[in-house]
Amino acid sequence: AQRVTQPEKLLSVFKGAPVELKCNYSYSGSPELFWYVQYSRQRLQLLLRHISRESIKGFTADLNKGETSFHLKKPFAQEEDSAMYYCALSSYNTDKLIFGTGTRLQVFP
Amino acid sequence: KAGVTQTPRYLIKTRGQQVTLSCSPISGHRSVSWYQQTPGQGLQFLFEYFSETQRNKGNFPGRFSGRQFSNSRSEMNVSTLELGDSALYLCASSLGGTNTDTQYFGPGTRLTVL
Repeated sequence: AQRVTQPEKLLSVFKGAPVELKCNYSYSGSPELFWYVQYSRQRLQLLLRHISRESIKGFTADLNKGETSFHLKKPFAQEEDSAMYYCALSSYNTDKLIFGTGTRLQVFP
Repeated sequence: KAGVTQTPRYLIKTRGQQVTLSCSPISGHRSVSWYQQTPGQGLQFLFEYFSETQRNKGNFPGRFSGRQFSNSRSEMNVSTLELGDSALYLCASSLGGTNTDTQYFGPGTRLTVL
């Protein structure tokens, strides 16, 4: 069964601290992995996807097929990073996204 | 470019009624997907439409249905509403060519069933 697991509901850090939001997935094929973010009072939006191998707002995520993980990392957290983060996967030839339950990141000054 | 719009933004219904929600995708986007968001279950996929055809469906009862028009606008309908249908319903649009396309989400319709 396809599944995305985000083990942490809440992650609290101080400004300048490193951040790692965990994401593990279960999928029999080769999924596409995404991180979506929802800032307060804003709509859900794409942060990054593994196929692009890009860094957005200082965040990176590496797909580890051996560990079936796609953890989101940032070396130095900023207060404006406070938001709800969702890991998601999609399978071939469909836009269907399977979301994790989300992790709320709180960055304190 | 205008973003994804959803109407209405808020809706209050009573059990047993039916409801229709509307989603207008970004111009040029051919794929529209619908999701239900609740505190208990999180974000769950309802269905996806591409060029007026349902391409994928989630694990929801038949009371939940949808359609897509030739201009890519989409509607979802929920019949015989139950209290558990109270949720935020999100739609997302994409170009629809591949599963790596970015999906753009609307603000959602908040449905409350009394």
